[in-house]
Amino acid sequence: GQNIDQPTEMTATEGAIVQINCTYQTSGFNGLFWYQQHAGEAPTFLSYNVLDGLEEKGRFSSFLSRSKGYSYLLLKELQMKDSASYLCAVRDIGDYKLSFGAGTTVTVRA
Amino acid sequence: DAGVTQSPTHLIKTRGQQVTLRCSPKSGHDTVSWYQQALGQGPQFIFQYYEEEERQRGNFPDRFSGHQFPNYSSELNVNALLLGDSALYLCASSSYSNQPQHFGDGTRLSIL
Repeated sequence: GQNIDQPTEMTATEGAIVQINCTYQTSGFNGLFWYQQHAGEAPTFLSYNVLDGLEEKGRFSSFLSRSKGYSYLLLKELQMKDSASYLCAVRDIGDYKLSFGAGTTVTVRA
Repeated sequence: DAGVTQSPTHLIKTRGQQVTLRCSPKSGHDTVSWYQQALGQGPQFIFQYYEEEERQRGNFPDRFSGHQFPNYSSELNVNALLLGDSALYLCASSSYSNQPQHFGDGTRLSIL
């Protein structure tokens, strides 16, 4: 996976919804991952998409469109603890590595 | 069930020195990957070890080398340190190639 683009920063209010977009270019797509990383901590796995469609996990959902090279992470009912960086990562066919975007810093305000 | 553990947490070195970072994978995982994360950037892949062999390597110079032991733990070695090597070094483990990688808290390396 290369050329992974996501917005640098987003701000939202507690209780609201935020959608983080990720676009990518790849020679042979083999999965897209979303990670959450709080400052000074390890990235923690949130979701995995390999087929088109929506994957829902509680307050977090992730969507994938392989034909458009596009994914989004939807965070609902935002809480203060959701303030973090959100990383989009792609794996190519035949690759073992993850290629990461630069991350989107989400700030949740009261 | 211990997750991925890395040591040391922080390290300060000077230019030209050598450093060794250590990683123990999550229980049940046999594959270890190393990433470098500069401030404000996403992690960049250094290499991956499986069955004690380097299986894939990213765009890093030969100054970066590694090793995996029979118990699946791993080391990252960096020689001839440069100021630009200052970063957070993350270790990630997994059990199958398509499974999510689980990250440790990282080693913060500062080069003076």
